[in-house]
Amino acid sequence: GAGVSQSPRYKVAKRGQDVALRCDPISGHVSLFWYQQALGQGPEFLTYFQNEAQLDKSGLPSDRFFAERPEGSVSTLKIQRTQQEDSAVYLCASSLSDRARYGYTFGSGTRLTVV
Amino acid sequence: KQEVTQIPAALSVPEGENLVLNCSFTDSAIYNLQWFRQDPGKGLTSLLLIQSSQREQTSGRLNASLDKSSGRSTLYIAASQPGDSATYLCAVWGSQGNLIFGKGTKLSVKP
Repeated sequence: GAGVSQSPRYKVAKRGQDVALRCDPISGHVSLFWYQQALGQGPEFLTYFQNEAQLDKSGLPSDRFFAERPEGSVSTLKIQRTQQEDSAVYLCASSLSDRARYGYTFGSGTRLTVV
Repeated sequence: KQEVTQIPAALSVPEGENLVLNCSFTDSAIYNLQWFRQDPGKGLTSLLLIQSSQREQTSGRLNASLDKSSGRSTLYIAASQPGDSATYLCAVWGSQGNLIFGKGTKLSVKP
């Protein structure tokens, strides 16, 4: 596609519910990143894929967070047993190269609200 | 650990003014620096990408400079317009292997 596509745009979850957020990167982009952006803050790194390999998951805040990219294209970020502190915008970005030499392209994000 | 700071946190100017947004980073070993724009409730739009070997990049009314040795970048916006109102984010890509963001500068341009 022409850009990075994320779905859903908005998600309201009851505390304790599991959610799955989807990212469709730009076709042919090797690198895919997930970021979490709390209100009034800059995005914080969660995890990084190079093709289907998850090379860095150091930013995932707990073992309730899980990400996958099984075929090296679409990625899913799953949050189990959601908590109120998980409320944030989740941004996905992709890049043509492994070191973002060409910069990142971000999607519009998924706004998750846990009630 | 890389840290990115943006000053000021918020800025309000009348239409037509030229303005400068500042970004500083603690680790000068970066590959590139990128400026983004974020509108309320939206994702990030890339404005300018400066490679570590470059000193500046220009796009229309925007000019971004990079002084890697001092750990600073500035985004210059000429002849500001109300449509420029948004949050501007600075981010660096370095040895930590991912993009590290500042908290942004919220710009409001009054008609």
